[in-house]
Amino acid sequence: AQKITQTQPGMFVQEKEAVTLDCTYDTSDQSYGLFWYKQPSSGEMIFLIYQGSYDEQNATEGRYSLNFQKARKSTNLVISASQLGDSAMYFCAMRGGGNTGKLIFGQGTTLQVKP
Amino acid sequence: NAGVTQTPKFQVLKTGQSMTLQCAQDMNHEYMSWYRQDPGMGLRLIHYSVGAGITDQGEVPNGYNVSRSTTEDFPLRLLSAAPSQTSVYFCASSYSAFQGSSEGTQYFGPGTRLTVL
Repeated sequence: AQKITQTQPGMFVQEKEAVTLDCTYDTSDQSYGLFWYKQPSSGEMIFLIYQGSYDEQNATEGRYSLNFQKARKSTNLVISASQLGDSAMYFCAMRGGGNTGKLIFGQGTTLQVKP
Repeated sequence: NAGVTQTPKFQVLKTGQSMTLQCAQDMNHEYMSWYRQDPGMGLRLIHYSVGAGITDQGEVPNGYNVSRSTTEDFPLRLLSAAPSQTSVYFCASSYSAFQGSSEGTQYFGPGTRLTVL
């Protein structure tokens, strides 16, 4: 069965510093996609970044980048130059196999950026 | 593009009432889905659709109906509201259901916060 694990319930980071949020996954599929979403206190789910299992390069999107280690089944999110607006819950997710296409989410990590 | 839109943003119902949560997307996405988010339970898939005229059940479909008459719209109907359906409901869409491609990226609507008394 597919599973996403985020082991950091809460993290603090100083404004303008970088922070890494951990995510490990378990799947027997050869082809899969990994996603990160941000959920601020206002409640919406915002897509941040995608990494495909066959991508040879780590994905980057502005201040967001992934440290994708396929052999270790991990895809850690790195946020550079943290801003106060980065304070939110962050979810790692995998698109499920089979026909449903559902997203399988981790438990989430709450990030607080300190001024 | 407006992306994925949902209405209403907030709703309070009494037990036994019915209502429809609206969801629309303007990205020509084939795949659409409904999730509910509850504390400690994460996001759970209610129903999904891989194209107009095609719908199927997710993990927690009981008490909900869906239809997909157009590519753009995917309404969720609560048949007879119960307090256990108090939750935040998200509609999401993606170009495809394929798991190994960025085309499978699901974009979420802003959510509907539903309270059933």
